[in-house]
Amino acid sequence: DTGVSQNPRHKITKRGQNVTFRCDPISEHNRLYWYRQTLGQGPEFLTYFQNEAQLEKSRLLSDRFSAERPKGSFSTLEIQRTEQGDSAMYLCASSIRANTGELFFGEGSRLTVL
Amino acid sequence: TQLLEQSPQFLSIQEGENLTVYCNSSSVFSSLQWYRQEPGEGPVLLVTVVTGGEVKKLKRLTFQFGDARKDSSLHITAAQPGDTGLYLCAGPSWGAGSYQLTFGKGTKLSVIP
Repeated sequence: DTGVSQNPRHKITKRGQNVTFRCDPISEHNRLYWYRQTLGQGPEFLTYFQNEAQLEKSRLLSDRFSAERPKGSFSTLEIQRTEQGDSAMYLCASSIRANTGELFFGEGSRLTVL
Repeated sequence: TQLLEQSPQFLSIQEGENLTVYCNSSSVFSSLQWYRQEPGEGPVLLVTVVTGGEVKKLKRLTFQFGDARKDSSLHITAAQPGDTGLYLCAGPSWGAGSYQLTFGKGTKLSVIP
């Protein structure tokens, strides 16, 4: 399978703990996106990488959130000192072409903060 | 930020019925995409419409892009239970020079056998 892979698929944590999600994009895709989706909402943009460079961050991405893409391959999204409001599905997507390019999404990582 | 409003938010219909869902904006988009998302999964692209007035068909699904490129519709003929899911429209936007997709909130469709 050469699709976008995310893990873990599910994470339950207590408030105040740190969590990290990993995304492995389609190998030839140089663009990688993180989105967050809460119940009843569409995906909301969090951040974007072109190769290893993080080119844009949404205002939704507070200081507790950090994303990396070392060597322009896989990416990690870390949330420090989690809060109950962080509970959501975190979606990773990759693409190879801008402008009208399709985003290929992973299955998502669902975070529940107790 | 360019906003996309989708309607209806929820739709529950019997198998075999026809339906139309809408995606509207006050902004002009160079293109619009429609995705379908099943529970616990990521969205999957159905179609991209680029030209104003364009109509694209995908089996029982018909997608139309408005002449002014501010709106789009998705019509499903003879809906089947397998059509159940969240239908999302998305349009491109550029922030700080980077391309990203802005999504509507979606229409949650349930097709009852």
